[in-house]
Amino acid sequence: EPEVTQTPSHQVTQMGQEVILRCVPISNHLYFYWYRQILGQKVEFLVSFYNNEISEKSEIFDDQFSVERPDGSNFTLKIRSTKLEDSAMYFCASSEALHDSNQPQHFGDGTRLSIL
Amino acid sequence: AQRVTQPEKLLSVFKGAPVELKCNYSYSGSPELFWYVQYSRQRLQLLLRHISRESIKGFTADLNKGETSFHLKKPFAQEEDSAMYYCALCFGNEKLTFGTGTRLTIIP
Repeated sequence: EPEVTQTPSHQVTQMGQEVILRCVPISNHLYFYWYRQILGQKVEFLVSFYNNEISEKSEIFDDQFSVERPDGSNFTLKIRSTKLEDSAMYFCASSEALHDSNQPQHFGDGTRLSIL
Repeated sequence: AQRVTQPEKLLSVFKGAPVELKCNYSYSGSPELFWYVQYSRQRLQLLLRHISRESIKGFTADLNKGETSFHLKKPFAQEEDSAMYYCALCFGNEKLTFGTGTRLTIIP
């Protein structure tokens, strides 16, 4: 069964540094998402991406965050200048786009981001 | 604003006993409801969705629009059901709004 893959599984970064989290969505999927889960808290939506542009973003997704689909297979989340509070598990998800149908989102294993 | 509430953070049930994980939602339209499960050290996996009305691993969930609930049920708990369970709401191909999750522990 096809899966969403995320790399790296764990990223340790100094505060203030840039970090890029990578995701390879399922190949025929057209909607892409990033979520995060701070330790002990619920999974929170960050951003959704469709047709090469952001379709929705949350309040968390401020100017420090950006997403990109650079080559038709990868979907990346960049945090420009990391803060301690960015430490969390980051999940990538993707879904098909069928007309007038809610398709389930399939999640990757996540990247654990630790900011020192 | 859409919201999903899972009132129980922790739930322990004896093996063979019935399980019910509660989920209530608030949304003004007609959302789709999902249950996701996260087994230890594994990814979030879709368990079931209300629109398909199927039973997965013995679990069922019925959407009750009057009570705005989507409780997850299983008649006889098994040890392998121990996991974190998240109820989630979605409208269109938009964001999933998750509840805070319920950690289910099955006592042998």
